[in-house]
Amino acid sequence: AQSVTQLGSHVSVSEGALVLLRCNYSSSVPPYLFWYVQYPNQGLQLLLKYTSAATLVKGNNGFEAEFKKSETSFHLTKPSAHMSDAAEYFCAVSDRGSSNTGKLIFGQGTTLQVKP
Amino acid sequence: DGGITQSPKYLFRKEGQNVTLSCEQNLNHDAMYWYRQDPGQGLRLIYYSQIVNDFQKGDIAEGYSVSREKKESFPLTVTSAQKNPTAFYLCASSRQGAAGGNQPQHFGDGTRLSIL
Repeated sequence: AQSVTQLGSHVSVSEGALVLLRCNYSSSVPPYLFWYVQYPNQGLQLLLKYTSAATLVKGNNGFEAEFKKSETSFHLTKPSAHMSDAAEYFCAVSDRGSSNTGKLIFGQGTTLQVKP
Repeated sequence: DGGITQSPKYLFRKEGQNVTLSCEQNLNHDAMYWYRQDPGQGLRLIYYSQIVNDFQKGDIAEGYSVSREKKESFPLTVTSAQKNPTAFYLCASSRQGAAGGNQPQHFGDGTRLSIL
């Protein structure tokens, strides 16, 4: 069965510093992977997705993620953090069992704090 | 603009009472999902539906019920059997991609349910 692990429930960076949010997955089939962002009391918004095209995926607001099959990772990065990036971030893998239901399996989430 | 509307934003339940959370989408999506979000636990799938008049249990369906009479609507009822209903509930929808699972889910802004 597929699973997702996000290392670090809380990450704190200074404004202008590199953002790195870690995500590792396990999957017996080539995965589809997603990063979502959630602001307080709101739903999740899609940042980017990997669906077996280019391994480096660019998303909204300067974020990007690289799919590394050998490391089973899909880490999210941004070169320079902005105060508005403070939010909770979720990595998700699509449940690609035989039924292809479109179900997503989510990691526990990482709260990003940006300090001035 | 197309999107997903959840109502109400805040809901209070008395002991022994059933309550229904509304979810409506105008994205013409076939699949719809209900998640429960608790602090530090990510999102857990309650129920999902891939087509009208059909739905399946997710990982934590006990104490919940759903219906899918129309493509646009997927209401969730939290029954009195759910002993710990206090949580943030999120509804989502997605297209059914040809490969299955490669379509992102779109989320509503959630309903926060509390016990009186």
